[in-house]
Amino acid sequence: KQEVTQIPAALSVPEGENLVLNCSFTDSAIYNLQWFRQDPGKGLTSLLLIQSSQREQTSGRLNASLDKSSGRSTLYIAASQPGDSATYLCAVFSRDDKIIFGKGTRLHILP
Amino acid sequence: EPEVTQTPSHQVTQMGQEVILRCVPISNHLYFYWYRQILGQKVEFLVSFYNNEISEKSEIFDDQFSVERPDGSNFTLKIRSTKLEDSAMYFCASSVDRGYGYTFGSGTRLTVV
Repeated sequence: KQEVTQIPAALSVPEGENLVLNCSFTDSAIYNLQWFRQDPGKGLTSLLLIQSSQREQTSGRLNASLDKSSGRSTLYIAASQPGDSATYLCAVFSRDDKIIFGKGTRLHILP
Repeated sequence: EPEVTQTPSHQVTQMGQEVILRCVPISNHLYFYWYRQILGQKVEFLVSFYNNEISEKSEIFDDQFSVERPDGSNFTLKIRSTKLEDSAMYFCASSVDRGYGYTFGSGTRLTVV
């Protein structure tokens, strides 16, 4: 059974710093991995999608990497801004047609 | 950019009542999903739907739940007799194909009183 773990559960950093969020999964037989952002009480906004054959994806200040063999992904945020404050969710699409989410990392960027 | 649309955004219902949550997936998408998120908890898979039938469902998705794609555009989740523990945010998602990215709607907050 696929399990997805995100570390840390919460993170506070000063504005301008670079940071890394971690995601690990137990079953490497995945189709893809997707990072989402969730603001309080809101929906899920897709940030980056990494196919199982890819190693990384970049969008603006965000870079996501995938190491399928070790069951790990990281989301790197460069030059953090207060508007980046949100919960970041890692989601793995497994071959049993389910998306399994981690519990998320609550990120707070201090102005 | 194409969106997945969910209605209503918030629904309050009495325990034991039936509710129908509605979703309009992106028009060329073929795979459809319902997820839920109880306050403060993980987003949990409920059901996946393809080619007019359920392809996978979780233990949560019991006989009280059903899904339908009645007219080729809407995708609905019905809860027959709501319980207090059904209170959650329900998300609809769609994808053009398995293994591609998923677009989520903004959710319906269901409150059972």
